[in-house]
Amino acid sequence: NAGVTQTPKFRVLKTGQSMTLLCAQDMNHEYMYWYRQDPGMGLRLIHYSVGEGTTAKGEVPDGYNVSRLKKQNFLLGLESAAPSQTSVYFCASRPSLTDTQYFGPGTRLTVL
Amino acid sequence: GENVEQHPSTLSVQEGDSAVIKCTYSDSASNYFPWYKQELGKGPQLIIDIRSNVGEKKDQRIAVTLNKTAKHFSLHITETQPEDSAVYFCAASKVNSGYSTLTFGKGTMLLVSP
Repeated sequence: NAGVTQTPKFRVLKTGQSMTLLCAQDMNHEYMYWYRQDPGMGLRLIHYSVGEGTTAKGEVPDGYNVSRLKKQNFLLGLESAAPSQTSVYFCASRPSLTDTQYFGPGTRLTVL
Repeated sequence: GENVEQHPSTLSVQEGDSAVIKCTYSDSASNYFPWYKQELGKGPQLIIDIRSNVGEKKDQRIAVTLNKTAKHFSLHITETQPEDSAVYFCAASKVNSGYSTLTFGKGTMLLVSP
C-alpha cells in the first residue's frame, strides 16, 4: 500500500512549456485534490475531484487544468508554464466517509 | 469564502516546554478543524482534528481546543521534543457534502531546541 504518490519529484521548465503532474492513490479514495504551496502562503487549493470523471475549481485554478479519467489517478496540467507557477505541488486524497485528507510527498516545479 | 488566520508564524521553545499555536476562522458554519504537521521535504500529515460538537480533544502530548463562539481553535503541544520541530498548519472546513474543501492557515514553524 503506497498511499498517495506523485510523479515527478522535481522538474524545471522554461516559460511557455507544458507538462503534466501525476497523482496516484491506491486506497480507493473517492476525492482527490491538488494544492500549491508557496513560502508564507500555506496550502492553496487549485482543483479537486469528487469522483471519477468529475473536476471542480478551487481557490487558484487559473493556468491549470485537471482530469480524473480513472478513480486512482488525478492529473494536473500546465499548458503554458509561467514563472508565477514556480511552487511545490501537493496532491491529496480522502475516502468518502471520513474528512481526513492524505497528502503525497510533493513535486517541486521551477519555471524559468 | 472561509478565511483562516494562524499565529505565530514562527515559534521557538526549549525542549520540555509547551507550545501553543492559535487559529481563527471566519465562517461560523465551519465544523471540522484538522491540524497538519509538515516535516522538511515531506507532505503534510494529519496529527489531530476536532469537530464543532467537541470543545477539546487530546492525544498523548497533543491537544486541540475549540471555541465556537469566538471562532478560534488552538493546538497545544506539551513536553516538546526536538522531533516536534516542523511546520504546523491549521485548517477549517464546512463538511456537508463531497464538495467540502479545506482552507489552510499560512503555517507556524516550530523550532524546539535541545
